[in-house]
Amino acid sequence: DIQMTQSPSSLSASVGDRVIIACRASQGISNFLAWYQQKPGKVPKLLIYGASTLQSGVPSRFSGSRSGTDFTLTISSLQPEDVATYYCQKYNSAPITFGQGTRLEIK
Amino acid sequence: QVQLVQSGAEVKKPGASVRVSCKTSGYTFSVYYIHWVRQAPGQGLEWMGWVSPNSGGTTYAQKFQGRVTMTRDTSIDTAYMELDSLTSDDTAVYYCARAGVGVPGATYFDYWGQGTLVTVSS
Repeated sequence: DIQMTQSPSSLSASVGDRVIIACRASQGISNFLAWYQQKPGKVPKLLIYGASTLQSGVPSRFSGSRSGTDFTLTISSLQPEDVATYYCQKYNSAPITFGQGTRLEIK
Repeated sequence: QVQLVQSGAEVKKPGASVRVSCKTSGYTFSVYYIHWVRQAPGQGLEWMGWVSPNSGGTTYAQKFQGRVTMTRDTSIDTAYMELDSLTSDDTAVYYCARAGVGVPGATYFDYWGQGTLVTVSS
């Protein structure tokens, strides 16, 4: 099975900072990569699919990119409401797998 | 608006079975696969499998094969997930999620149910 490795596992940043979360696939998955945000005690929310397509209603400060098997989620200017755990998910084929998550806190 | 509403929390003893329902509304049930994802306390997301509302066909993650059954009732736009032979390791929040656009058995999830906590304890 293809493994998804996220880094870092946690990070702390200040409001207004640019934040980058990485996700690496153990094999090629083309652009079949999604990002989710899960706030504490809440349901996961789709942010990005197709590696870089923003889901409707998601603020434009979120963006995604791909370079080979490396993917990044960027928050251009961190806001207090962005405190959450972020997961990448590969979906090129079954089994669908998620990264282990990146916990984002405000410094 | 699209909604997925799951059944309430369950407490089960080891060895028992649990069935979680996922009632959908706001879209054509037969068009979009329903996937199931679980999350153990303090842990990440784990995909379990999917059911096709149209055909009833299923695919399960290897880890759950032989122990999970996913079904649907098209008359009430509801999907079900039943997990047998429960152990404490099955204590988790179970989510149903709607498949997004694309290959329905391998896609992202655009709408999620609210989650159902299943606690397995003697």
